[in-house]
Amino acid sequence: DIVMTQSPDSLAVSLGERATINCKSSQNILYRSDNKNYLSWFQHKPGQAPKLLIFWASTREAGVPDRFSGSESGTNFTLSISSLQAEDAALYYCQQYHSTPYTFGQGTKVEIK
Amino acid sequence: EVQLVESGGAVVQPGGSLTLSCAASGFTFDDYTMHWVRQVPGKGLEWVSLISWDGVTSYYAGSLRGRFTVSRDNSNSSLFLQMNSLRTEDTALYYCVKGKVDMTTIGDCFEHWGQGTLVTVTS
Repeated sequence: DIVMTQSPDSLAVSLGERATINCKSSQNILYRSDNKNYLSWFQHKPGQAPKLLIFWASTREAGVPDRFSGSESGTNFTLSISSLQAEDAALYYCQQYHSTPYTFGQGTKVEIK
Repeated sequence: EVQLVESGGAVVQPGGSLTLSCAASGFTFDDYTMHWVRQVPGKGLEWVSLISWDGVTSYYAGSLRGRFTVSRDNSNSSLFLQMNSLRTEDTALYYCVKGKVDMTTIGDCFEHWGQGTLVTVTS
């Protein structure tokens, strides 16, 4: 199974500052046929359904604010929130959908400092 | 608007069985692969199973294969998860999830999630 490892487990960021979450896959999740990394980022707030933010490692889902961005380098992936808003306090998960069993990172809790 | 409404969660004894349902609306159900994902209280997300848009292909998390069976009724836009030989470690919130790209089985991300239905396995 592909293991997804996120860091840090939690972080506290001041409003308006940048938050950065890292995710590393234990195996390559790039398909050569389309040169895409099969990685998503989700936001999960208590009592709500998880929300897709980013897919193909760096493609923003429709309706997601442009302060959210994803980047990739080999098997290392990053979710950045450029200017943290109060409503961004949540758990964030990365997930690979390259091959079954699809696997998630353990989650990163973002809090407002 | 896409809606996924799970039901069927309950308190069940170890060794028991349960079937979860997911009623889908707001999209052409039989065009999309569907998934079940679970979350143990206080823990992270775990993918459980997928079934292709046509119901022909299904995959399971290794630890669940043989105990859980996913199925769908495209005529009624419904997804199901039959769970047998339930264990205490199966206690979780179970989410129904829609794939993003039509007619795609593997390599499709998770676009929409339901609110989940709670399964509690306890004696």
